Amino acid sequence: DAKTTQPTSMDCAEGRAANLPCNHSTISGNEYVYWYRQIHSQGPQYIIHGLKNNETNEMASLIITEDRKSSTLILPHATLRDTAVYYCIVRPRTGGFKTIFGAGTRLFVKA
Amino acid sequence: DGGITQSPKYLFRKEGQNVTLSCEQNLNHDAMYWYRQDPGQGLRLIYYSQIVNDFQKGDIAEGYSVSREKKESFPLTVTSAQKNPTAFYLCASASSSYEQYFGPGTRLTVT
Repeated sequence: DAKTTQPTSMDCAEGRAANLPCNHSTISGNEYVYWYRQIHSQGPQYIIHGLKNNETNEMASLIITEDRKSSTLILPHATLRDTAVYYCIVRPRTGGFKTIFGAGTRLFVKA
Repeated sequence: DGGITQSPKYLFRKEGQNVTLSCEQNLNHDAMYWYRQDPGQGLRLIYYSQIVNDFQKGDIAEGYSVSREKKESFPLTVTSAQKNPTAFYLCASASSSYEQYFGPGTRLTVT
C-alpha cells in the first residue's frame, strides 16, 4: 500500500530550483521521510532523509511541514543530469525492508 | 572502491530455464535486498536478508529463491515457476537497515 502521493511528472528549467512535493498524511511518529532518485536504467540513488526538521546536504534540501503530512524536495539549481524519477518514501529508521517504492515523480529538466 | 556489483548487466534466457543473478557488496553491510522493476513502475521487494544465513520473503517471492551464505553475496535465482520473469532486477544493501545503496541492475529477458 502506497503511503505517499506524488505528482506523476514535472518540468523544470535548467538552472532553476526544482521543487518536488510529496503528501504523506498517514505518516506515523516513528517514520522518516526518505527521497531517492532513479536515472534511466540505473539503480535508485539515496538523496536525503528527515524526521521533522528541515535537512540539507550537498545534493538537495528537504522541507517537512510542521504537521509532517507533506514534504518538498528542493534541488536548488537543477541541471540536465537531474532528469530522473524521484521517489518519496516513508518508513521507520530501521526498516529497509519496509521501503515502498511507488511510481514516483518523473522530473524533466529542460535547457 | 566500495560498492555493489550486479552481473551481468543484460541476461537472456529461454523459457523454462532457471537463471541466477549475482549481487556482491564490499560495504560490510548486514542487510541485502532484491527488487523487481517493470517498465514505468516502481520497485517491488522480492526477498531480503538482514543477516547471514537468514532471509525473508518480500511482496512477490513466488517463483524466486535466494541464499545468503556469505555477508558479501546475495544471489537471486529466477526459477521456471516465475510466470513473467522478464524485468529489471535491482539488488541493494544497507547497514543496519538504514539507507539502501543500489547496484546497477540486471535486465533479464526470457523468450
